Formats: sequence, C-alpha cells, structure tokens
Amino acid sequence: EVQLVESGGGLVKPGESLRLSCAASGFTFSSYSMNWVRQAPGKGLEWVSIISSTSSSYIFYADSVKGRFTISRDNAKNSLYLQMNSLRAEDTAVYYCARDLMGAAPSWGQGTLVTVSS
Amino acid sequence: QSVLTQPPSVSATPGQRVTISCSGSSSNIGNNYVSWYQQLPGTAPKLLIYDNNKRPSGIPDRFSGSKSGTSATLGITGLQTGDEADYYCVTWDSSLSAVVFGGGTKLTVL
Repeated sequence: EVQLVESGGGLVKPGESLRLSCAASGFTFSSYSMNWVRQAPGKGLEWVSIISSTSSSYIFYADSVKGRFTISRDNAKNSLYLQMNSLRAEDTAVYYCARDLMGAAPSWGQGTLVTVSS
Repeated sequence: QSVLTQPPSVSATPGQRVTISCSGSSSNIGNNYVSWYQQLPGTAPKLLIYDNNKRPSGIPDRFSGSKSGTSATLGITGLQTGDEADYYCVTWDSSLSAVVFGGGTKLTVL
C-alpha cells in the first residue's frame, strides 16, 4: 500500500524556519517526481514545489515561496523534505506531499499543519 | 487570484447533472493535460479525472472530463448527496514552469 506521511509541522513565529519531512513507503520512491501542495485554512489548494525523481533534472517553485523554501529528497531514505525559511503569516496552511500529481495514480499524505503567528 | 478560473460554487438537486468549468490560457490548459480532484471536508484530495478525460480505476462513469481549447469541464451525472465537496482543476503552466490549480468550486447538492 502506498503511504506518504508528513511530519514537522507546528507553531512558529514570523521570520522563523521549519523543516517538513515526508516519509514514503509502498512504492519505488526513486522513480517518481514529488510535490508539496498547501492549503490555507478555508482556502483552496496551492502548489508549492516539485522535484524530479533524481533531484538533478528539475526543481520548480511557486512564486510565492521562491527564494524562501527549498525542496529536497533522499532516495536512500525514501524521504522528501521542505525547508521553509523566513516564514510569514500567509504561509499558514496544511502542507501535503503528493506523488504523481497529474498522473493516473497519485497519492497524497494526510498533511501537516504549519501555523505562523506571533 | 488563480491562473485557472473556476466558478466559486454550483448547486443542483439529487439525480441531476452538473458541470464545472475551468478556464485558462494557451500556456496551461491549451497545451497541457488537465486533472480534476474532489476534496471532501477534512480529507486529502482524490483524483477523479486525469489526462483531460480519463478516469482512474474505481471512479464511476458518472464523472467525466473534457477539454476544448483553453477550457476544461468536469461533468457529474446522477448527483448524490455524497458528491457534495470542493472540486479543483489542475494542470502544468509552461510559461510559469509551475503546477497551477483552479480556485476550487464548492458543489452543493440540495
């Protein structure tokens, strides 16, 4: 069974940093590009970033996080990461990791809540 | 403001058919595949349609997708109360080099 489990969310102050992790199991992690998608309370889905299967092919970010967030992966550990720096109130959201977002068999984690507040 | 434009809400009665539109441009819908997701309250999104009009296994044929030019449409027939949810279109935008979601449409089954 495919599983994606996010962790690392919590309450931080504006300007602080946080690192999210996503542990993958049940599939060949190194064969898939991976995404981070977020959803602010009561709002719609917002794509955050994508990383290719081997990291070296492509990495893209939404304009709203470019220069502040860094996506990375460790295929040996079947893990995806999102380093979030200079956090703002508007970054408050549930963060999902997702595989194969626009393919035939995507998978999403259950999400981890990040709250940025003073 | 989303790159892809969806109506904020639609409503219909049980058994009826409803369509949800998703309008974009040549850099996104016009030249890339569209997927559609359903999100029930408090849950992760669930794929309904991929590659414009294909249904993953397990998705009933009450759900259909189509694309024409720079717009895509999700159709749902035989509406059920369990279809009440938020629906999102999503595609790749070649100019932005980004995945783009529509703003979402809340379906109410009266």
